[in-house]
Amino acid sequence: NAGVTQTPKFRILKIGQSMTLQCTQDMNHNYMYWYRQDPGMGLKLIYYSVGAGITDKGEVPNGYNVSRSTTEDFPLRLELAAPSQTSVYFCASSYSGRGIKLSEQYFGPGTRLTVT
Amino acid sequence: GESVGLHLPTLSVQEGDNSIINCAYSNSASDYFIWYKQESGKGPQFIIDIRSNMDKRQGQRVTVLLNKTVKHLSLQIAATQPGDSAVYFCAERGVSNFGNEKLTFGTGTRLTIIP
Repeated sequence: NAGVTQTPKFRILKIGQSMTLQCTQDMNHNYMYWYRQDPGMGLKLIYYSVGAGITDKGEVPNGYNVSRSTTEDFPLRLELAAPSQTSVYFCASSYSGRGIKLSEQYFGPGTRLTVT
Repeated sequence: GESVGLHLPTLSVQEGDNSIINCAYSNSASDYFIWYKQESGKGPQFIIDIRSNMDKRQGQRVTVLLNKTVKHLSLQIAATQPGDSAVYFCAERGVSNFGNEKLTFGTGTRLTIIP
């Protein structure tokens, strides 16, 4: 299994541009998450999904959108990039169901985004 | 507006010494806890977990202690090595407002091993 993969690894955006951060997992996990991590800081949850077609806001959803049309993919959309969105973005997935309780999250390698 | 984050607490330990990283969790109903390690430029990786019906669990050079009375979790790393330098996060499993299970991450602690 490849686990959780993210593309691109790095991106520089100009203020006001849009982009989509891609996230794919091949572990058949129903839960998926997007976090951002600012330099020297902890993880902040942006959005999460408990299954295809179901998404919900985390701590810091403003300026972002998500969709979950398949189990494998959970893209994160930035519509009007702002300097405050300069950060490292991590996607993660985990599984819960059929008598199995939610356990560890598996993280992707991250996307480093700079908005100037 | 969005919440303003705090910079990570830091801990410096001499190589070969033992280190203890602490974490206070918020939900007395949380039933499962995880420690993650995040090396520079990488995503967090699972180290060790513990269920709420346990007080202690040991891995290779790592021990997690759980004190439910004071809602405190600690990670002990024995005989630290330069490769232990990283940010360490604790996470607790609880239930969201919508009835789903969720993991909540702590702020994290930056551990630096001094050669």
